[in-house]
Amino acid sequence: QVTLRESGPALVKPTQTLTLTCTYSGFSFTETAMCVSWIRQPPGKALEWLALVDWDDDKFYNTSLASRLTIYKATSQVVLRMTNMDPMDTATYYCARGYASGSYPLDYWGPGTLVTVSS
Amino acid sequence: SYKLTQPPSVSVSPGQTASITCSGDEVGKRYVCWYQQKSGQSPRLVMYQDTSRPSGIPERFSATNSGDTATLTISGILPMDEADYYCQAWDTNTVIFGGGTKLSVL
Repeated sequence: QVTLRESGPALVKPTQTLTLTCTYSGFSFTETAMCVSWIRQPPGKALEWLALVDWDDDKFYNTSLASRLTIYKATSQVVLRMTNMDPMDTATYYCARGYASGSYPLDYWGPGTLVTVSS
Repeated sequence: SYKLTQPPSVSVSPGQTASITCSGDEVGKRYVCWYQQKSGQSPRLVMYQDTSRPSGIPERFSATNSGDTATLTISGILPMDEADYYCQAWDTNTVIFGGGTKLSVL
């Protein structure tokens, strides 16, 4: 059974760095074409993809946010760091498993974690 | 950068057929997938690689992708189909989401 769960602070101050952890189980990153993405969704707004790391440790970033993002793998975890947080970054942050092929579909999602940026 | 455009809303009566479009430059040359997101829930994959349904997605869900438009079609609409729907593609090492369409079942 594939599961993912996001964890991290619910509240961060402007200019701080956000670190989110995605803890997964039920699949292995050693499987070819496996990948994990981070996606966010501001309240009432659309999904926005942030970053992806694949089975080969290749990393890809949203071009608009690339200078602020770092994604990396740890044992059964994928970590996302976002620097210089702003109130506009208030959103629910999701991690999702995907396949690095075709449309790069995301077939399992975590429940999401709401991050509020406020002083 | 590549952009996918969806209508903000679609309304349909129970039992009817809903079509949700996703427009992008030569989107038919890319693979597209679709997600359903009900209120307060995480998105759920309902279609991938243009026309493939994941396990557990009913046959009422189908899709096409050609030219500049990908379309998700839901036949025999049920009240439980009311949700936001997002298309998604891969372009130049980035995942691209459409802006989402709110499907209302009247």
